[in-house]
This record gives sequence, C-alpha cells and structure tokens, in this order.
Amino acid sequence: AQRVTQPEKLLSVFKGAPVELKCNYSYSGSPELFWYVQYSRQRLQLLLRHISRESIKGFTADLNKGETSFHLKKPFAQEEDSAMYYCALSPFNQAGTALIFGKGTTLSVSS
Amino acid sequence: DAGVTQSPTHLIKTRGQQVTLRCSPKSGHDTVSWYQQALGQGPQFIFQYYEEEERQRGNFPDRFSGHQFPNYSSELNVNALLLGDSALYLCASSTNSNSPLHFGNGTRLTVT
Repeated sequence: AQRVTQPEKLLSVFKGAPVELKCNYSYSGSPELFWYVQYSRQRLQLLLRHISRESIKGFTADLNKGETSFHLKKPFAQEEDSAMYYCALSPFNQAGTALIFGKGTTLSVSS
Repeated sequence: DAGVTQSPTHLIKTRGQQVTLRCSPKSGHDTVSWYQQALGQGPQFIFQYYEEEERQRGNFPDRFSGHQFPNYSSELNVNALLLGDSALYLCASSTNSNSPLHFGNGTRLTVT
C-alpha cells in the first residue's frame, strides 16, 4: 500500500540548532516527493520537491530510495521556521495529481 | 492574484443534511482537486476535476460528488452527512502539466 509516515508529531529545537524532520514512504514505483508547510494562519504551501533539488529557506531534502526516506533538513533553525510540515508523495509522477500526505510534524523553534 | 479561494469558511450542518462547498482556482489553473483533512491528520485526496470531468478519485463513498464548471471553478457536494464528515475541506488547483498544487484556506465543516 502507498503510505507516507512522519514518525514525530512534534519536534522542538532551539534557535540555531540543526533540524531534521523525518519522512518515510511506501511505494512500489518511482515516486515524486514533496514537503509542504503551513505557517500559523496561512494556507498549506509547497516548500520543496525532490526533482527540483532546490534549497528553499535553507531547507534541503534528499530522496533515499534504498531507505525509502525523504527527510527534511536545515543546519540552523530560525524562529520563523515554526510551522506544521507535511511530507507528501505523488504516485503518478505528476505534481498536480493525487498526493498522499503524512500526518504532519509540528516544528517548534524557541529562542 | 487572489490565489485559490474557497467558500464558505465555516459551516455547521446536521447529520443527514446535504452540503455544497465552492472553490475558485488560481488564475491560469484548469485542474481542481479536493482534500479532506480530519483533525490531527494530513489531507486525504477525495477527487480531481479536469475539463469538467472527474479524472481521479480517492477512497471516498459516492455520497461525495463534485462538479467543475466551464470557468474551472468547482463544487464539492456531500449527501447524507455523518458526524465523521466533520473536517477541514481543502481545494487545490494546478495546471494540467507537471505543476505543484496551490491550496485554498479551506472550509471547516462541522456536523452535529
């Protein structure tokens, strides 16, 4: 079955500390993977997608097909990074089609 | 550009009633997808509309139906509401090419 697992509901770190939000997936083919973010009182928005290999707001994520993981990392957390983060998988290798989301991880960055 | 707009923002209905939610896609987008987000869960795919037809459907019963209009806007209809239908309903739009989803703010449906 196709599934996205985010094992942590809440991740609390101090400002300046490294951050790693974990995401594991289950999919038989070649998936396309995304991280979406929802800041307080804002809509869900795309943070990054693995095929673009971009670094957005200092975040990076590498697709590890051997471990079926797509962990989100940032070397130095900022308070404005506090938000809800969702990992998502597209089973049809098209960004605009059905996405399977994980349950999300709340990142809390304190000073 | 207003982005994806949804109405209403909040709605309270009684069990057994029917509800219609509305969505206008981002300018230039022709594909609309609907997601249900229960409390503490990630969004779950309901269905997607393109060229006024349902193109993909998730694991939702037939009580959930939709429509897309020639101007690309869309409606989500839910019949015979159950308490378990209480959730945030998200609309997302995209182009038919390989573009990422743009989400609206959602409609919070409460079934009592």
